[in-house]
Amino acid sequence: RKEVEQDPGPFNVPEGATVAFNCTYSNSASQSFFWYRQDCRKEPKLLMSVYSSGNEDGRFTAQLNRASQYISLLIRDSKLSDSATYLCVVNQLTGGGNKLTFGTGTQLKVEL
Amino acid sequence: DVKVTQSSRYLVKRTGEKVFLECVQDMDHENMFWYRQDPGLGLRLIYFSYDVKMKEKGDIPEGYSVSREKKERFSLILESASTNQTSMYLCASKTTDLSGNTIYFGEGSWLTVV
Repeated sequence: RKEVEQDPGPFNVPEGATVAFNCTYSNSASQSFFWYRQDCRKEPKLLMSVYSSGNEDGRFTAQLNRASQYISLLIRDSKLSDSATYLCVVNQLTGGGNKLTFGTGTQLKVEL
Repeated sequence: DVKVTQSSRYLVKRTGEKVFLECVQDMDHENMFWYRQDPGLGLRLIYFSYDVKMKEKGDIPEGYSVSREKKERFSLILESASTNQTSMYLCASKTTDLSGNTIYFGEGSWLTVV
């Protein structure tokens, strides 16, 4: 089983739609979680961190469910500019440092 | 501005050549990482380091080695390049401080092995 798993998509949605992505992780000792956005041929950029209490940033909401070992990202009122690949990242503490494991990414295409 | 700099953006190397990919960060981060990214496979961790001279294998270390002689520099070495190492390589750094959540990436190094 992969350490971090995501549905690769693509998710094709009309502008204005609400779309949700999930990501599961296998290591229950994982410490922190993030969603990153990556545009074609660019480096990933931080979208938001994910907290147990859930957090919201504008149209984006992230949730963490430690019991079921998954995190989610909800995008409301999708814009064309939201088209990108969304990467789930899991951070484990190891040997005094951090091991960051990425999911394969979920591709989102927002259409007119 | 935090910067992670990968010195080589585009390289073409021959099979069997030794290849060095250099990464430098200017934020005094303890943690540095090397990933490769291939279509459909996402970012896969090759090696990471949490301190000078410390290194740990990631998920796909075979065919690679790393060097961290100074805190700011983390080098990825392909001892004998092969065509299946053609990929985009991303370097990243992050503080160990729990308040520092952001992972900073370089712009990527596109390596073609012919």
